[in-house]
Amino acid sequence: AQTVTQSQPEMSVQEAETVTLSCTYDTSESDYYLFWYKQPPSRQMILVIRQEAYKQQNATENRFSVNFQKAAKSFSLKISDSQLGDAAMYFCAYRSTTGANSKLTFGKGITLSVRP
Amino acid sequence: DTEVTQTPKHLVMGMTNKKSLKCEQHMGHRAMYWYKQKAKKPPELMFVYSYEKLSINESVPSRFSPECPNSSLLNLHLHALQPEDSALYLCASSQFVSHYEQYFGPGTRLTVT
Repeated sequence: AQTVTQSQPEMSVQEAETVTLSCTYDTSESDYYLFWYKQPPSRQMILVIRQEAYKQQNATENRFSVNFQKAAKSFSLKISDSQLGDAAMYFCAYRSTTGANSKLTFGKGITLSVRP
Repeated sequence: DTEVTQTPKHLVMGMTNKKSLKCEQHMGHRAMYWYKQKAKKPPELMFVYSYEKLSINESVPSRFSPECPNSSLLNLHLHALQPEDSALYLCASSQFVSHYEQYFGPGTRLTVT
């Protein structure tokens, strides 16, 4: 079974600075998806970024980028130029590409606060 | 339109009540999901529907009864709940069960008294 580990429960960043959120996972599969989801206090879960394991290039979405290290099974999220609206709970998630019933496996999440 | 809507936003019910949660999407997605989420915890999968048929039931107690009347609508019928069932109930949809991207609704905050 796959597992996703987010070992830091909380982090804080100064507005306009850069922060990196860590995530490691364990799997025996060679092809899979990895995701970062954001859940602000308003509750709606939003997909921030995804990475296909077969792609060597790290995914980027505007101020959000990942550092995907497949051999190390590491998938960190970097948020540049942090904004107050980035304050939220962030979940790292894994999904297999095989099997019609593959499920999202979430990490425990990390609460990010942004200091003005 | 990439929106999943859920009603009601908040629900308070007694342990003997019967209530229903509703989820709707108009993106043409053929897979829909129910998740339960406790505060400061990740979502836990409850049910998956694929083409209006129940595909996964994660050993959820029978006091939760899902229903998918059509491809756009997903209901969760609640009966004889316990206080520990109080949580945020999230609905999500994806193009197909095998598709990687799930779109989440805002959730229904359920309190069982």
